[in-house]
Amino acid sequence: GENVEQHPSTLSVQEGDSAVIKCTYSDSASNYFPWYKQELGKRPQLIIDIRSNVGEKKDQRIAVTLNKTAKHFSLHITETQPEDSAVYFCAACWANDYKLSFGAGTTVTVRA
Amino acid sequence: EPEVTQTPSHQVTQMGQEVILRCVPISNHLYFYWYRQILGQKVEFLVSFYNNEISEKSEIFDDQFSVERPDGSNFTLKIRSTKLEDSAMYFCASREAGGLYGYTFGSGTRLTVV
Repeated sequence: GENVEQHPSTLSVQEGDSAVIKCTYSDSASNYFPWYKQELGKRPQLIIDIRSNVGEKKDQRIAVTLNKTAKHFSLHITETQPEDSAVYFCAACWANDYKLSFGAGTTVTVRA
Repeated sequence: EPEVTQTPSHQVTQMGQEVILRCVPISNHLYFYWYRQILGQKVEFLVSFYNNEISEKSEIFDDQFSVERPDGSNFTLKIRSTKLEDSAMYFCASREAGGLYGYTFGSGTRLTVV
């Protein structure tokens, strides 16, 4: 099955700086890569996703890049704000069954 | 914005008891999922459900687990005889056909087995 590795496990950044979270996946059949933000005790919320036919996608301060050859994908948050503090999970799946395999999560803390 | 609704939000049960976790998916969604998240760990896939049958299940989803869509709106997860290690947050999710917009997760049920 799919195995998703995520790094780092914790990330502390100064407000206004950028944050980068990296994930790798093992199954070359995976073609859908969502990122979720989870605040304490809340549901995972989709913040951005990318499909394998695209190398990069951007939505305001958030961007995701995908390198299919290397099986890497990354989340970039620019101009971080305190409300960006949360746990971020990457995930991967084959977009026929959408059985998501999640990374272990990155706890992001934005220091004011 | 449509939501996936889960009840109860928190359930405490004695070891060995049966529990039923309930979910109301978004009305036009056709694919349904259960995931669980043990405290401090990653979200793990349990089971997917489509057209009134299980599409796929993980190794976690053993004979103690079952799912049902009893009335066309609710989607339930039953644990027959709970164990301490079943304590976790359980998330229901649904998606529409084609899945262009991915999943919507419910707010979760925190299950505590004592």
